[in-house]
Amino acid sequence: DAGVTQSPTHLIKTRGQHVTLRCSPISGHKSVSWYQQVLGQGPQFIFQYYEKEERGRGNFPDRFSARQFPNYSSELNVNALLLGDSALYLCASSTGLAGYQETQYFGPGTRLLVL
Amino acid sequence: GESVGLHLPTLSVQEGDNSIINCAYSNSASDYFIWYKQESGKGPQFIIDIRSNMDKRQGQRVTVLLNKTVKHLSLQIAATQPGDSAVYFCAEKLSGGSNYKLTFGKGTLLTVNP
Repeated sequence: DAGVTQSPTHLIKTRGQHVTLRCSPISGHKSVSWYQQVLGQGPQFIFQYYEKEERGRGNFPDRFSARQFPNYSSELNVNALLLGDSALYLCASSTGLAGYQETQYFGPGTRLLVL
Repeated sequence: GESVGLHLPTLSVQEGDNSIINCAYSNSASDYFIWYKQESGKGPQFIIDIRSNMDKRQGQRVTVLLNKTVKHLSLQIAATQPGDSAVYFCAEKLSGGSNYKLTFGKGTLLTVNP
């Protein structure tokens, strides 16, 4: 089975622009989480969605938004990009059925560079 | 507050040696812990997890130890191989409610010398 897939792999934007990142979870997984990983640091939680509903939100500004589609894929949107938004954006999927003690499996990430 | 930290930011070992990567956590309400391996240019890869009702769990060549008294966990890698070179993160989850996020530490860079 395919793992978590993300697109695009790399992206270059300029300040003030908008970006949409996409994620397809592992087949059968209903929960998708988004993380931001700045160079040299661990991933930071942004959002989690389950069955198209937001289950959790991290400490990120309203410029960050996300949604989940009926096929459980997800989009992360970032408006009014800042230089500090440059990072690796990771998507993780989980079944959504095992409660908080379930494993999250990560995709390869989208590398975003804001100039 | 929530924080997960690592004692050693870098670790260099010889091929065939055993490696031990340490992690301290500060939130006593955390009761699920995961170790991830991240190779350059890739996403984190699940290695092993442990729940707070356990103090040891073994996988293939890896063992995780959890000491809740001092809020410390470690990842032991037996017979370390060059392919084990990567950044290793510990992550924690808080118990209960709808809190499903993972909180990661900064990571430890493991370098295996042939």
